[in-house]
Amino acid sequence: AQSVTQPDIHITVSEGASLELRCNYSYGATPYLFWYVQSPGQGLQLLLKYFSGDTLVQGIKGFEAEFKRSQSSFNLRKPSVHWSDAAEYFCAVASGGDAGKSTFGDGTTLTVKP
Amino acid sequence: GAVVSQHPSRVICKSGTSVKIECRSLDFQATTMFWYRQFPKKSLMLMATSNEGSKATYEQGVEKDKFLINHASLTLSTLTVTSAHPEDSSFYICSARDEQDVTNYNEQFFGPGTRLTVL
Repeated sequence: AQSVTQPDIHITVSEGASLELRCNYSYGATPYLFWYVQSPGQGLQLLLKYFSGDTLVQGIKGFEAEFKRSQSSFNLRKPSVHWSDAAEYFCAVASGGDAGKSTFGDGTTLTVKP
Repeated sequence: GAVVSQHPSRVICKSGTSVKIECRSLDFQATTMFWYRQFPKKSLMLMATSNEGSKATYEQGVEKDKFLINHASLTLSTLTVTSAHPEDSSFYICSARDEQDVTNYNEQFFGPGTRLTVL
């Protein structure tokens, strides 16, 4: 069975500082990986995704993530955080062979200090 | 990108009543849609896979008779919470894939969610 682990429940960074959110996955085949952001009371917005090809993927809002098969990781990064980035971030893995349904990590809450 | 809507966005009901939540793919067809439940400050838990023209597939531990799913058309799936109780209060989110988009076949598009409060 596929699973996703986000080791950091809560991260606080200062505005303008760099950010890295960790994600580790467990999946037998090549995974389809996603990062989503969720503001309070809102739905999910896709930040970026990895299906195949270049292991460094660029997303919206200045985010990027790197797929490392050897480490089973798909960490999200941003070089300079803005106050508006404060939100909940979810990493997810989808299995193409199982109707594409996704398994989500428990999420990381990002707080941005002024 | 593809858009998925949900209606209503928020509903408050009395214990014992039933509530229907609609999920629509607005600009694409979806033979498969997914229903998730999210508890406060928790992750999304997949409840069931909604299949157009056939029965839904429920995840382990999800009561089929409690959460009725109907996928009436290629753009509409409904989740009915029957005889709702306070413990059913939650944020329900649906998603769908654009099955015509072979490049991004495994990308899911999420609805904005429905906040259910059972008094």
